[in-house]
Amino acid sequence: EVQVVESGGGLVQPGGSLRLSCAASGFTVSTTYMNWVRQAPGKGLEWVSVIYSGGGTYYADSVKGRFTISRDNSKNTMYLQMNSLRAEDTAVYYCARRSTGDPDAFDIWGQGTVVSVSS
Amino acid sequence: DIQLTQSPSFLSASVGDRVTITCRASQGISSHLAWYQQKPGKAPKLLMYAASTLQSGVPSRFSGSGSGTEFTLTISSLQPEDFATYSCQQLNSYPITFGQGTRLEIK
Repeated sequence: EVQVVESGGGLVQPGGSLRLSCAASGFTVSTTYMNWVRQAPGKGLEWVSVIYSGGGTYYADSVKGRFTISRDNSKNTMYLQMNSLRAEDTAVYYCARRSTGDPDAFDIWGQGTVVSVSS
Repeated sequence: DIQLTQSPSFLSASVGDRVTITCRASQGISSHLAWYQQKPGKAPKLLMYAASTLQSGVPSRFSGSGSGTEFTLTISSLQPEDFATYSCQQLNSYPITFGQGTRLEIK
């Protein structure tokens, strides 16, 4: 079955760090564009970051310089290292696959992992 | 960044109704638009990509149209399971952006 499973969320104080993981099965993360998308409570979806099949990365301005996306091909897993966390980073974080062919969309989503930033 | 504006933000309708949601882009995005359905506490589900291509397994009562800056998602005959939040997404360029969402509720 093609799926992704996120983990690593939790409660952290402002200024703290967390590392989220996204473990994939049924496909190879290094052959697709893997993304992180977040959703703050009661709000819409916000794209956060992408790691391209070639290894390049891109970030939303709101997290640039604080978050780092990476992957471990041997574990077929993507990560999001989140540093200098702020209250406004509180959200459900989803990992999502964007295939390099059809459909050109985010076709596989995880169940999400909750990040709460509060003192 | 490309801004997406959905209308309406809230829609109340009845089972069997035909409803249309509009998504407008701040600049042309060709047909690089997708639509998602999201239910409370769940991940988004892909409905439509390339503006008008139905994702596998999605009922044919869903349809999409548009190109450039204006797009629509239509549900031809609402079913009870369709009451959810719908969001558009542009994939023309990074940063990828989403519309603010349209909440579809039962009248």
